Amino acid sequence: GAVVSQHPSWVICKSGTSVKIECRSLDFQATTMFWYRQFPKQSLMLMATSNEGSKATYEQGVEKDKFLINHASLTLSTLTVTSAHPEDSSFYICSAYRAVGQPQHFGDGTRLSIL
Amino acid sequence: GESVGLHLPTLSVQEGDNSIINCAYSNSASDYFIWYKQESGKGPQFIIDIRSNMDKRQGQRVTVLLNKTVKHLSLQIAATQPGDSAVYFCAENAGGTSYGKLTFGQGTILTVHP
Repeated sequence: GAVVSQHPSWVICKSGTSVKIECRSLDFQATTMFWYRQFPKQSLMLMATSNEGSKATYEQGVEKDKFLINHASLTLSTLTVTSAHPEDSSFYICSAYRAVGQPQHFGDGTRLSIL
Repeated sequence: GESVGLHLPTLSVQEGDNSIINCAYSNSASDYFIWYKQESGKGPQFIIDIRSNMDKRQGQRVTVLLNKTVKHLSLQIAATQPGDSAVYFCAENAGGTSYGKLTFGQGTILTVHP
């Protein structure tokens, strides 16, 4: 089946640091990837849609200058949390689908903790 | 539409029982639905999907039922096992210009007791 890899799985860093999270589709090309944020015991909240070769589309309320997304190739999207603060601590998950109309496959998430 | 809950619904069953997890969706334009299983500390794992032109679909030990009249989706798990313990999310896709984007339900915590 489809495999989506996310790295790192866990990050702890100081307030003010910028953190980059990578999402790779390992066995298929993904023109579109998605980034979600999940708080404990809550559902997944879509942050943005990452489009290969073009700008990401952000959901309402998500600061695009805070959460920088780059989708430079058909197998890699990155999310950079800039100048992270404790309130940015969360579980960030990416997903991708083989083709429109097929299910999204998810990475195993990145636990981000800002001290 | 989106729903975020601070207290997820819970379902506790005995090993071997059948489980039914329910989901209400709000967008009548949604035409594609997916059930995901999320274990602690991991990303959601695809279980089964169904399109709006169907009302039932079966997989291995799982069945999804779709009732478009009342905008209700259910996941039935047969002979539930301890390994089925997880949070289960339904997700809907509205099609059209938002094709590919998913809106997740609030989730249900399933606990299977040996």
